[in-house]
Amino acid sequence: DGGITQSPKYLFRKEGQNVTLSCEQNLNHDAMYWYRQDPGQGLRLIYYSQIVNDFQKGDIAEGYSVSREKKESFPLTVTSAQKNPTAFYLCASSMMRQGFQPQHFGDGTRLSIL
Amino acid sequence: SQKIEQNSEALNIQEGKTATLTCNYTNYSPAYLQWYRQDPGRGPVFLLLIRENEKEKRKERLKVTFDTTLKQSLFHITASQPADSATYLCALGGGGDSNYQLIWGAGTKLIIKP
Repeated sequence: DGGITQSPKYLFRKEGQNVTLSCEQNLNHDAMYWYRQDPGQGLRLIYYSQIVNDFQKGDIAEGYSVSREKKESFPLTVTSAQKNPTAFYLCASSMMRQGFQPQHFGDGTRLSIL
Repeated sequence: SQKIEQNSEALNIQEGKTATLTCNYTNYSPAYLQWYRQDPGRGPVFLLLIRENEKEKRKERLKVTFDTTLKQSLFHITASQPADSATYLCALGGGGDSNYQLIWGAGTKLIIKP
C-alpha cells in the first residue's frame, strides 16, 4: 500500500544536538510538508517543497532545516538553534494539480528534550 | 491575522445520536475547507473537502456545510458510533496567495459514549 513513513516514532535530543527526522513517501506526490503540532494549537507549517531541489519556509522555519534531493524523501533537521523543540512532528504530501488536493500524513515523530 | 476556532472542549455524544462540530474563521476568504480525523499518536486522515461555491457535501454518515457569509463550517456525523471517537480538525486553504498552504484549527475531541 502507498503511504508516508516517518521515523523514528520517538526521539530524544540532548542540549546542543542536531537531530534529523525522516520522511519517505511512495505516493508519487510532488509536494511535501513538515508541520509541528503542540497541545491546544493547530498544525503549524515549518517547511514545504513543491519540487525536487526546491523548498520554502513556512510560518515557523527558524531553528529547522530541510532538503529535497529525491522526490520520495523530505528529511527535517531540528537544530540546536530551536530552543523549544519538544512537539509532535508530522510530515505530509499531496499531488500538485489544478485546485486543492488533500494532504496525506505520516504517523508522526514525537521529539523530547533529555 | 487569520484565525480558525474550533470548540476546545471535548464533545460528548450518546451512541446513535448526531454529532455536530463547528469551525469558525475570521480574516480569511478560503476557496476550500477540509475536515480531517486524528486518532491519538497518529497523523490526520482526510475526510471531506468542500469548496466555497458548495453549500453542502455528504459522504456516507458524514455531512459538511460551508457558509461563507457566516464564515462557518459545520461537520455532522449521523448515527454516531464509539469508533467515531477521535479529534476532528478543520483546515482552510486556497485563499489569496496561499501556495497550497493550509491554515489549521486546533481540533475538537469527540467522544461517543455507548
